[in-house]
Amino acid sequence: SQKIEQNSEALNIQEGKTATLTCNYTNYSPAYLQWYRQDPGRGPVFLLLIRENEKEKRKERLKVTFDTTLKQSLFHITASQPADSATYLCALPGSGNTGKLIFGQGTTLQVKP
Amino acid sequence: DTEVTQTPKHLVMGMTNKKSLKCEQHMGHRAMYWYKQKAKKPPELMFVYSYEKLSINESVPSRFSPECPNSSLLNLHLHALQPEDSALYLCASSQADGLISGNTIYFGEGSWLTVV
Repeated sequence: SQKIEQNSEALNIQEGKTATLTCNYTNYSPAYLQWYRQDPGRGPVFLLLIRENEKEKRKERLKVTFDTTLKQSLFHITASQPADSATYLCALPGSGNTGKLIFGQGTTLQVKP
Repeated sequence: DTEVTQTPKHLVMGMTNKKSLKCEQHMGHRAMYWYKQKAKKPPELMFVYSYEKLSINESVPSRFSPECPNSSLLNLHLHALQPEDSALYLCASSQADGLISGNTIYFGEGSWLTVV
């Protein structure tokens, strides 16, 4: 069955550094991958989508890569700020064009001033 | 601010109560979703409505009953819940074929449910 893995341990970095989060998946080939941000007690907020034929996508300080050979996506936040502290979720469509979105466990990022 | 509005934000109910969670969106989206999220876990899909028809039920117990009265509204009726059903319930919406073609799914802020 499909499996999505994100580093469940919290990532602590210093303000100004680049944060890199990893999302690995197994047992299928998704047409795209999405990244969401979730703050405590709030719903997830969409950040970026990258399709299988795209290697890299950027939005302001955010960069996402998608390696379909490694079955991995990397999510980078450059010049990190304390306001970037949150849980970041990767999400992939369920197999078979069912209209399902499946989320990884999420990685909590803490940016220290 | 999210364009998907959920009410109530907090709900405490007894195991014999009947209550409902409500969700509304005015983005013209024709797909709406209910997700359940436990603490430190990812959102888990419960139901999907497409064009006001139930298209996916992820084997959710019958004590949860979804309803889509029109294209803007989505309800989740709750009856005879268990304490383990306590969670954050998230409503979301997207273009009708959004998740197939890769469009954004928009989440509401969620309704915190506590079953006592």
